[in-house]
Amino acid sequence: DQQVKQNSPSLSVQEGRISILNCDYTNSMFDYFLWYKKYPAEGPTFLISISSIKDKNEDGRFTVFLNKSAKHLSLHIVPSQPGDSAVYFCAAKIQGAQKLVFGQGTRLTINP
Amino acid sequence: DVKVTQSSRYLVKRTGEKVFLECVQDMDHENMFWYRQDPGLGLRLIYFSYDVKMKEKGDIPEGYSVSREKKERFSLILESASTNQTSMYLCASGSGIGGGYNEQFFGPGTRLTVL
Repeated sequence: DQQVKQNSPSLSVQEGRISILNCDYTNSMFDYFLWYKKYPAEGPTFLISISSIKDKNEDGRFTVFLNKSAKHLSLHIVPSQPGDSAVYFCAAKIQGAQKLVFGQGTRLTINP
Repeated sequence: DVKVTQSSRYLVKRTGEKVFLECVQDMDHENMFWYRQDPGLGLRLIYFSYDVKMKEKGDIPEGYSVSREKKERFSLILESASTNQTSMYLCASGSGIGGGYNEQFFGPGTRLTVL
């Protein structure tokens, strides 16, 4: 039972354009969501998070949007840069719990 | 600077061998986690620990055990390695303060191959 789903295994975007990565979840108890970025042969690094009391959070080129009614979140990267090429994982947690539930990941490729 | 280190980057073992993967964090975090990453499956939680000598099963604990004798160190043990345990193993740590509304910090991973 995949509670957090990233339905696009890969995404290719031209440099300078907007990258939009999507994530859906099924558990309505999730109240905190995170995005991680992973380069090959490295561990994931935290990118940005959002609490369920918000619907948007920005950090520089990265913005995360949360639509609770649709149980959907998205990560927008604008403008996209070659260094953004990586695998992106969304993750979710339930209040009071320490464990994160991860999606399958989306491989983003930024083309020059 | 936050640091999670793992004892090996690459490991090759034979079926039936006992395998130890070590993880150390220097952030005084209460919580530590072991995940495996497989293509198309994302990161799946094997075990986690929220205190010394405490452990809880994650989503895929079968074939694994863990040990946490000191706060900074969390070990993953494969009692009898099998080929389906060939994977990337990732250790993470996180603070328990604030109800867990904070990120986990990951080590660089151990690529384990079981022949």
